[in-house]
Amino acid sequence: GQNIDQPTEMTATEGAIVQINCTYQTSGFNGLFWYQQHAGEAPTFLSYNVLDGLEEKGRFSSFLSRSKGYSYLLLKELQMKDSASYLCAVQGEGTGFQKLVFGTGTRLLVSP
Amino acid sequence: GAVVSQHPSWVICKSGTSVKIECRSLDFQATTMFWYRQFPKQSLMLMATSNEGSKATYEQGVEKDKFLINHASLTLSTLTVTSAHPEDSSFYICSARTSVTYEQYFGPGTRLTVT
Repeated sequence: GQNIDQPTEMTATEGAIVQINCTYQTSGFNGLFWYQQHAGEAPTFLSYNVLDGLEEKGRFSSFLSRSKGYSYLLLKELQMKDSASYLCAVQGEGTGFQKLVFGTGTRLLVSP
Repeated sequence: GAVVSQHPSWVICKSGTSVKIECRSLDFQATTMFWYRQFPKQSLMLMATSNEGSKATYEQGVEKDKFLINHASLTLSTLTVTSAHPEDSSFYICSARTSVTYEQYFGPGTRLTVT
């Protein structure tokens, strides 16, 4: 089976740091993605991890531990525009390991 | 680069009618396209995967006769919702990828409302 868990909602203040966790149990693993989605819009790509460790890209960083089935997305220097849903997705078994299975998403609210 | 468009961006139709949604990769050749459905405040649920020139692979629980998917070229896939009902009202999003990249590029989505 496939199971991807994220917290449903998180709140933080402008300028702070927030960590969004994702745990997964999937059939096969070929990489983990983080997407940002504003209400009514399509997801936009944030990061991709396939090896253990931390990937840093500006204010956003993503970490992966394959042995623990765990990832987190770290957002620094939060801005109001970061209020959005953050989706964790695992690329796993099926259709040549192209298939993405999405978590439920974490709604982040950044307040002044 | 890597732009995916969808048309229409929103559509309202009457119950029992059919609606076609187009997904195009504008600046790359998409060997594989995916169709997702998203209900309010929920995550994306994969409906089907289509490879150019092949029949789509549907996820469990998705009726292939109701959601017709065609991927006739490397830049175009279509999703037709046949005999639409109010419960089909949702946000439909397509994505596309090439044979060499790991990333899926998402279209802007189509909001379908069935009255």
